[in-house]
Amino acid sequence: AQSVAQPEDQVNVAEGNPLTVKCTYSVSGNPYLFWYVQYPNRGLQFLLKYITGDNLVKGSYGFEAEFNKSQTSFHLKKPSALVSDSALYFCAVTTGGGSYIPTFGRGTSLIVHP
Amino acid sequence: DTAVSQTPKYLVTQMGNDKSIKCEQNLGHDTMYWYKQDSKKFLKIMFSYNNKELIINETVPNRFSPKSPDKAHLNLHINSLELGDSAVYFCASSQEVRRGETQYFGPGTRLLVL
Repeated sequence: AQSVAQPEDQVNVAEGNPLTVKCTYSVSGNPYLFWYVQYPNRGLQFLLKYITGDNLVKGSYGFEAEFNKSQTSFHLKKPSALVSDSALYFCAVTTGGGSYIPTFGRGTSLIVHP
Repeated sequence: DTAVSQTPKYLVTQMGNDKSIKCEQNLGHDTMYWYKQDSKKFLKIMFSYNNKELIINETVPNRFSPKSPDKAHLNLHINSLELGDSAVYFCASSQEVRRGETQYFGPGTRLLVL
């Protein structure tokens, strides 16, 4: 079985400060990891994914995420937050040994204060 | 151009009614999905179709019946609507059935059952 946990329901950060949104996963086999963002009253938009290769993945809007196999984590980061980054962020995982349908975390609401 | 579109955007109806939600993608993808997002923003897969064939049915009540007339369309018909069906329903598509595929989401249909 595959699962993903986003331990924080909400993350608050001041504009211009670095941000981190946490994600840990549990799979049997190699993980395929995704981050999606959902703005209010919109569908989810793809940000970035890790399949294989370099542990640091760069994505849209200046976001990046680091795959850490030993800690089974895939935290989302951005060096300098913008107010417009305020949204709901979903981590998702699938695995080569299981279903190809990704399992989504419960989402983390990111609030960037001016 | 909208990549994945859904109609209607909002749907307010009475318990016991039957309603349909339509989804179309113009990305040329082979695989389409229906997700349900509840009031706590939890995202759950309902169905997946590949080239008009049903490949995933995740313990959804048989009041929900998906139909795929062609690989660009995946509609969702719901019979005998219940209060608990109130949610946001997202359609999504991906290039093919393969682990690690990025999913592209529609804007969602907000269903309220009174």
